[in-house]
This record gives sequence, C-alpha cells and structure tokens, in this order.
Amino acid sequence: DTAVSQTPKYLVTQMGNDKSIKCEQNLGHDTMYWYKQDSKKFLKIMFSYNNKELIINETVPNRFSPKSPDKAHLNLHINSLELGDSAVYFCASSQEPLDGPGNNEQFFGPGTRLTVL
Amino acid sequence: ILNVEQSPQSLHVQEGDSTNFTCSFPSSNFYALHWYRWETAKSPEALFVMTLNGDEKKKGRISATLNTKEGYSYLYIKGSQPEDSATYLCVSRGDTGRRALTFGSGTRLQVQP
Repeated sequence: DTAVSQTPKYLVTQMGNDKSIKCEQNLGHDTMYWYKQDSKKFLKIMFSYNNKELIINETVPNRFSPKSPDKAHLNLHINSLELGDSAVYFCASSQEPLDGPGNNEQFFGPGTRLTVL
Repeated sequence: ILNVEQSPQSLHVQEGDSTNFTCSFPSSNFYALHWYRWETAKSPEALFVMTLNGDEKKKGRISATLNTKEGYSYLYIKGSQPEDSATYLCVSRGDTGRRALTFGSGTRLQVQP
C-alpha cells in the first residue's frame, strides 16, 4: 500500500486553464503539505495544513489553493495556470504539525510533473 | 549562513569507496536537522533526524553527525554500493515562528560498479 499517493503523475495543460492535483495519505497523519520543486531542484514548502490550521507560504500566488475534504486528503487547485507554474509538485504528510514538538518526519508522495504550454 | 547549503553538489565514487558530504545550516534558533535520501523517479525518504549538538546517528553503512554550535552536519557512507546512488537532502528546522523547514539543494551521489 502506498503511504502517500498523488494523481495524476503527469499533467500537461494550456496556459489559463484551471487544474487540480489530488493527494491522499493512509498513515493516519494529522498534517499534510504541498511542496514545489523549483528549476534549481530545491523543494519549497507551499502549504502546511492540519484539521485546525492552514499555513501558507506568503510567496505562493493566491491562484494556488489547498482543499481538504477530510484528514486523509489535501488537494491542490491551481487557477489560471501560467508558464512559470511548470514544476514537480510533491505532497507530504507528517504525524506532528509543523510547529509541534515532534521530529516532523515528512513522508512524501511520488510527485506530479505539471507542464504548462 | 541564512540558508541550507550542501556540498558538493554532485559526487562520483567507485563501488567500495567511503565518502562524506556536508550540510551547513543557520546555527541560531536551531531546532532539528533531517537527512533524506531521494532516489531518481522516487520520493524522498527519511534517513535521520537529529536535534542535539554532538548527535551521531547510524543506519547500516550510513551515519551522520551534528554540530549545532557551528551549524554543520556530515553524512558518511562507508563502502559505497551502486544502490546508494541517490540525492541526499539536508533539511533544517528552525525554532522561530512556525519552525519552518528549509531544504538544501542536495548532494547527488553516483556510485560506479
């Protein structure tokens, strides 16, 4: 069983479209995240979310929005896609919240490669 | 140091060689340091998390040390094997505000058989 899964694995779309990437974790974790891997291969956190709080990286455009239908899912919606949104997006989860006392070990999904044409 | 810096960026070694690489991180407001192993076409997997100055962790042939006063961690691989080929990511967790995670760009290790 895959602990953290993402769909789709690849997403090719036109500029201006709206798209979603789904993420599910079966680890029973309370906190989920979205990361963007930039052109220099750095992983940068976009959002951290548990059932109490959404923490947003202030550099993320408001065209990006996380939606959590339940504790096991955190989907990423992107409106009005731009060329610069092309990247690999990783979902992750952790037992502890980002500001919690635990070790905050991250469990990552396989990534979704988004290409905007 | 304001960011997490890893060196070298890439490394090619022969099977059986021992190797090590460095992660430098902000020493002020330090909370924890994580090492992840990231194989091509897979997702990062946790290797170690370290919190205390002088910490040493070991998993098989891989070990790591931590110096929080000077802000560096070393990852060592003894007797490298081709299956060790991966990118090794260092992640620093600060103790201010949200205890944000800052990722290094990784050291890409290639072990030649």
